Order: sequence, then structure tokens, then C-alpha cells
Amino acid sequence: SQQGEEDPQALSIQEGENATMNCSYKTSINNLQWYRQNSGRGLVHLILIRSNEREKHSGRLRVTLDTSKKSSSLLITASRAADTASYFCATGATSGTYKYIFGTGTRLKVLA
Amino acid sequence: DGGITQSPKYLFRKEGQNVTLSCEQNLNHDAMYWYRQDPGQGLRLIYYSQIVNDFQKGDIAEGYSVSREKKESFPLTVTSAQKNPTAFYLCASSPGISGSHAYFGPGTRLLVL
Repeated sequence: SQQGEEDPQALSIQEGENATMNCSYKTSINNLQWYRQNSGRGLVHLILIRSNEREKHSGRLRVTLDTSKKSSSLLITASRAADTASYFCATGATSGTYKYIFGTGTRLKVLA
Repeated sequence: DGGITQSPKYLFRKEGQNVTLSCEQNLNHDAMYWYRQDPGQGLRLIYYSQIVNDFQKGDIAEGYSVSREKKESFPLTVTSAQKNPTAFYLCASSPGISGSHAYFGPGTRLLVL
């Protein structure tokens, strides 16, 4: 079963604009992570936010977490053509099993 | 150069055949995972292992089998019981501690002849 659901499923923006994608999840979590996947490749970890954090920054990335609404958002500022990829959220469970449950992903296309 | 390797990059399966996908890591990670990704879809967990000689089923384990005889290796066998095996298979590993993230291999694309 998918834990996270990303929204929107696809997003197309112009270079230089900001891109925002959202993730909703169902159960209690220890942390939430965002990954990027270029076409036909493996996933690359971008950023991890713990359940007791509300906001985190890494370069042009900003992640927020609202545990009361069971949702997170990823903001990419000043997007570049190289940001074109699929973005996935994944949740880390609070139980003793360290498995990651991924969402359905947002396909981002940045037009030059 | 640490990381996760998967082989082969492309694999062709004939009807009724079992095939094995290789996954090796030199990150000294305790936990390893196998995911299946269908075109335009998210990742679904097939099997995961938190320690050598132990593994658990994920959400779609039917038609697949794994072994974890060595810490660095977690091969996945796609058996003939898996009727729709065409997909992109991703292996991952993690330290298996709270607050850690997953490291992914480059993937294996399995096609049915």
C-alpha cells in the first residue's frame, strides 16, 4: 500500500519559477524524506525532515512538515532545466522496522 | 568508491523462467530493500531485510524470492509465478537506524520475451 500521495501528479513550469509539490501520508512517522529520480535512473536522496521539525532548508530546497495534517511540501526555488525529474516523498516508520514507503511521485518539467 | 551496484542493467525473461537480479553494496549497511516501479508509477516494496539471514515480505512479495546470506548482497529472484514481471527494479540499502535515509542502486529493467 502506498503511504504517501504526491500532488500534483505532473507539473510544468518555466525556468526561474518556483515549483511546489505536496505529499500526504496516512500513519504516524518518524521522519519524511524527499527523493529525486531522473528518467531511467535510481533515486537520489534530497532532504530528510524529522517529525519534530516543521521546516528545513537545503540550498534551493525548502521542506515543510505538518504532522497534524499528515502532509509535507517540497519547494524548489528558481528552478532550472536540470531540475526536470520525478520527485517522491517517503516516510520512515515509528516502529522498529526501518522500511521506507514511497508515494506516487510528482513529475516536474522545467522549460528552458 | 562506495555505493550500490545492480546487475544486469537490462534482463530478458522467457515465459516460465526464473531470473535473478543482483544487488551488492559496500556501504556496510545493515538494511537492504527491493522495490518495483512500473511506468509512470511510484515504488512498491517487494522484500526488505534488516539483518543478515533475515528478511520480510513487503506489499507485493508474491512471485518473488530473496536471500540475505551476506551483509553486502541481497539478490532478488523473479519466479515463473510472477505473471507480470515487466518493470524497473530498484535495490536500496540504509544503515537501518532511526533517521537514516535510503541509498539506491541504478536499477534493472526486466523485460519479458
